[in-house]
Amino acid sequence: DTGVSQDPRHKITKRGQNVTFRCDPISEHNRLYWYRQTLGQGPEFLTYFQNEAQLEKSRLLSDRFSAERPKGSFSTLEIQRTEQGDSAMYLCASSFNRALTTDTQYFGPGTRLTVL
Amino acid sequence: RKEVEQDPGPFNVPEGATVAFNCTYSNSASQSFFWYRQDCRKEPKLLMSVYSSGNEDGRFTAQLNRASQYISLLIRDSKLSDSATYLCVVNYYNQGGKLIFGQGTELSVKP
Repeated sequence: DTGVSQDPRHKITKRGQNVTFRCDPISEHNRLYWYRQTLGQGPEFLTYFQNEAQLEKSRLLSDRFSAERPKGSFSTLEIQRTEQGDSAMYLCASSFNRALTTDTQYFGPGTRLTVL
Repeated sequence: RKEVEQDPGPFNVPEGATVAFNCTYSNSASQSFFWYRQDCRKEPKLLMSVYSSGNEDGRFTAQLNRASQYISLLIRDSKLSDSATYLCVVNYYNQGGKLIFGQGTELSVKP
């Protein structure tokens, strides 16, 4: 399977714990995005990387959230001191960006986080 | 006000019906437009891009009105397998290409 993969698919944790999610993009895709989706809402943009550089972070991404893409390949999203409001589906997407064109983003299956 | 607004539905229609979804966006700087489909507890998947000239893909027709900042999706001869949530999406490619999603419109096609 050469699509976007995410691990784990499900995570249940207790409030106050730290969690880390991983995203493996489609090979050779230079852009990687993180989104969050809560029940009944569309996905909301969190952050994105162009290769290894994190170029934008949403105001939704509080200081408890950190994302990395150390070698421009896979990415991790860490949430520290989880809160019940962090419960959501965390979606990763990747794309190959060419200048002045709109690239198609391909989504992974998501990591569903439940904070008890 | 949300940047992209959709009627959340649900739309309950019989097989074979024609159904139309509407969407409005508030930022006139929006540059690209899409409809994504999302099945229950699955990831969003691109259904089609939306162009000012209108575009059609089989039973699906998408329209864009930049002056009114309005996007539509028409599904003809609906099938049971069309049951899903349809997400209206805008994109700013000069701002990193992030996608701005509407809330989604739920469609349920009944036999």
